[in-house]
Amino acid sequence: EADIYQTPRYLVIGTGKKITLECSQTMGHDKMYWYQQDPGMELHLIHYSYGVNSTEKGDLSSESTVSRIRTEHFPLTLESARPSHTSQYLCASSAGGGSYNEQFFGPGTRLTVL
Amino acid sequence: AQSVTQLGSHVSVSEGALVLLRCNYSSSVPPYLFWYVQYPNQGLQLLLKYTSAATLVKGINGFEAEFKKSETSFHLTKPSAHMSDAAEYFCAVTVNTGNQFYFGTGTSLTVIP
Repeated sequence: EADIYQTPRYLVIGTGKKITLECSQTMGHDKMYWYQQDPGMELHLIHYSYGVNSTEKGDLSSESTVSRIRTEHFPLTLESARPSHTSQYLCASSAGGGSYNEQFFGPGTRLTVL
Repeated sequence: AQSVTQLGSHVSVSEGALVLLRCNYSSSVPPYLFWYVQYPNQGLQLLLKYTSAATLVKGINGFEAEFKKSETSFHLTKPSAHMSDAAEYFCAVTVNTGNQFYFGTGTSLTVIP
């Protein structure tokens, strides 16, 4: 079944730890995105990729990094987690071509940094 | 740059009543507009989208939205609310020459039995 997956769904971790949030999609989409979502706020784009070996930073400044070595995989890494990183992280993907192609979202990872 | 404004962060309606969630956009070029729904502990799911074809767009679960260029609006409606419609709703905009979606701050819909 074509879908987009995120693991873990929930993560509680101490300050200073390195973490990787996983995102995989089986839809063959070229474009993938990472958003940060906080209550009452718009979704903020933190990283995006238009294909393998292509990554860009979004509007929201982030201390995270991403990689796109395979089309289906777009992991996000925090080298040293801090309490300010506590948030919900959403991964999305969309087909190539026109901007009118909708984004498909994963279920999210809720990160808490103590 | 593009942006959307969702008026009303919380909307409450009675079961069976009309649902109206407001979205106004800002764009200097023709926009593409989207409505998404988010249930608790889930990602966003597309309800409907406007891509410059018909101005009245029908989506899933009985929702529809009308693109009004003169009012720069794309309000979401449903004639009769169901309990299962309780969720967070997000409006988003992008353009053909752009690389990003811009989301509103969301509207939380409560349906009162």
